[in-house]
Amino acid sequence: AQKVTQAQTEISVVEKEDVTLDCVYETRDTTYYLFWYKQPPSGELVFLIRRNSFDEQNEISGRYSWNFQKSTSSFNFTITASQVVDSAVYFCALSEEDYGGATNKLIFGTGTLLAVQP
Amino acid sequence: EAGVAQSPRYKIIEKRQSVAFWCNPISGHATLYWYQQILGQGPKLLIQFQNNGVVDDSQLPKDRFSAERLKGVDSTLKIQPAKLEDSAVYLCASSLTSGSSYEQYFGPGTRLTVT
Repeated sequence: AQKVTQAQTEISVVEKEDVTLDCVYETRDTTYYLFWYKQPPSGELVFLIRRNSFDEQNEISGRYSWNFQKSTSSFNFTITASQVVDSAVYFCALSEEDYGGATNKLIFGTGTLLAVQP
Repeated sequence: EAGVAQSPRYKIIEKRQSVAFWCNPISGHATLYWYQQILGQGPKLLIQFQNNGVVDDSQLPKDRFSAERLKGVDSTLKIQPAKLEDSAVYLCASSLTSGSSYEQYFGPGTRLTVT
């Protein structure tokens, strides 16, 4: 069965601190995709990154970085030098490869609320 | 490029009433999704369309929820009759086509409160 666990419900940091959001997933497929989405107070989900199961290379995009480790089924997200604008709920999600038109629905975790204090 | 549009943004109804939500996906996107997000939880897929055909509606409570995507563009999601536990944000998303390698773009959502 597919499952995504985000054990951290809420994290509060002070501006300029680094923060890591944890994500652990479960799947029986060998081909799958992992995602991170940001949901600011406005409510719209904003895509941050997609990773496929064959690419374990870590990725950095500005202050954001992602660490994918298949050995521990984890896909963690780090924000360096956090800013107030980073305050939002962050969701990790899993999608299994679809064959022949089956669903590619996203399975979301419960989210982590990040509050960055000035 | 215009994003995914949804209306209304907010709706308050009493239990046993009916309600409908509308979604207009990004132009040219063949795949459309409706997700339900209950407070404090991640979104859960209700139904996925590929053009005007249903790909997955396994988690749609079909005794009260219905959805259609006539002409393969706009979509409506209806609840009749509503229950208290239907209070949630209903998110519409679209992607160029089905397949996990295609990004899903989300609309702003419709927040439904059932009293």
